[in-house]
Amino acid sequence: ELKVEQNPLFLSMQEGKNYTIYCNYSTTSDRLYWYRQDPGKSLESLFVLLSNGAVKQEGRLMASLDTKARLSTLHITAAVHDLSATYFCAVINTGTASKLTFGTGTRLQVTL
Amino acid sequence: DGGITQSPKYLFRKEGQNVTLSCEQNLNHDAMYWYRQDPGQGLRLIYYSQIVNDFQKGDIAEGYSVSREKKESFPLTVTSAQKNPTAFYLCASSIGVGRVNYEQYFGPGTRLTVT
Repeated sequence: ELKVEQNPLFLSMQEGKNYTIYCNYSTTSDRLYWYRQDPGKSLESLFVLLSNGAVKQEGRLMASLDTKARLSTLHITAAVHDLSATYFCAVINTGTASKLTFGTGTRLQVTL
Repeated sequence: DGGITQSPKYLFRKEGQNVTLSCEQNLNHDAMYWYRQDPGQGLRLIYYSQIVNDFQKGDIAEGYSVSREKKESFPLTVTSAQKNPTAFYLCASSIGVGRVNYEQYFGPGTRLTVT
């Protein structure tokens, strides 16, 4: 059974600081997705990582995928308050077609 | 303007009543999904459908039922057998099986409260 773990579960950081969220998964997969969720809202797609070594960047966020280590990272550079949200990674279980398994989420709070 | 719509946004029901949540997409996607989210938790898969007239149970299908009579529509019924139905329900769709990218696009969600 595919398990996806994120850490930390909660992250409070000051504006202007850098930090990394980690996403580990338990079985082979080469497709990983990052989503953002604001309180009470739906999920918004951030990054699609489809191969080993993939790196994507959008503004202050950068995501990478290491399929050998079964690890993805979401790096935040010079955080701003607008980045406060919950971030989920999700992994395709290649044995079950298009099913995504989601991580537990990391709640990010950026303070002044 | 393509997307996924869910209705209603908020739904209140009495215990023991069945309730149906609507999900419609005009993205021409083959695959559709229903997830449940409890406060402070991740998403859990209830049911998914890869093609019209076919669907499979997800991880927490007990107490739920679905149909997929049209490509655009994937309604979810929360039955009285679901022991703890109060939650945020999210519908999603993706292009379908056999593609490289299985990115899922999410609707706005329905918040169901059962008392």
